[in-house]
Amino acid sequence: DGGITQSPKYLFRKEGQNVTLSCEQNLNHDAMYWYRQDPGQGLRLIYYSQIVNDFQKGDIAEGYSVSREKKESFPLTVTSAQKNPTAFYLCATQRQPLATEAFFGQGTRLTVV
Amino acid sequence: GESVGLHLPTLSVQEGDNSIINCAYSNSASDYFIWYKQESGKGPQFIIDIRSNMDKRQGQRVTVLLNKTVKHLSLQIAATQPGDSAVYFCAENIPGNTGKLIFGQGTTLQVKP
Repeated sequence: DGGITQSPKYLFRKEGQNVTLSCEQNLNHDAMYWYRQDPGQGLRLIYYSQIVNDFQKGDIAEGYSVSREKKESFPLTVTSAQKNPTAFYLCATQRQPLATEAFFGQGTRLTVV
Repeated sequence: GESVGLHLPTLSVQEGDNSIINCAYSNSASDYFIWYKQESGKGPQFIIDIRSNMDKRQGQRVTVLLNKTVKHLSLQIAATQPGDSAVYFCAENIPGNTGKLIFGQGTTLQVKP
């Protein structure tokens, strides 16, 4: 786990509901990321943050929102605007500014019911 | 945009044999590469990394080879074990891309007993 905690592990959402996925880290890393992974697919970047109170859209940000009020926390909200939210969501952190490995949490599996 | 790709989606090997997983990258300016292992339902785990000023790096039972001439990266696993069965991703860092890693689609390694 590397000091990254994602919760919950499994999450079920009804149509039209917003849900928030939690990601907490104690690695003192500046950068945090959210990725989406669909079955048999690679990782697609949703949002990332390199510093507190700042974040940037990734490749598939539509229907998602984030906040970075604390260095340790980077929650992801999946809004009702996300039409196909069923997926495996991964949070990662990275030490900056040099290119370094990303550390991943254990993921949250979100299912729309 | 540019992305990392993989040659084979699935690799099946006999237990005890050596495995070679390949990765092609398209950006000649990429300066840092990582291999990750992802077991089913879990987050990716760091295996080994290599910087562009190196051609080869060895870890425990794993070796990463970098061929910058043809923009090719490979992961060699010696004496493959059933516990090596997983999806393997390569990732690259492009300078000036704010440290975000670009991930490939992944190769599934199946180890036959």
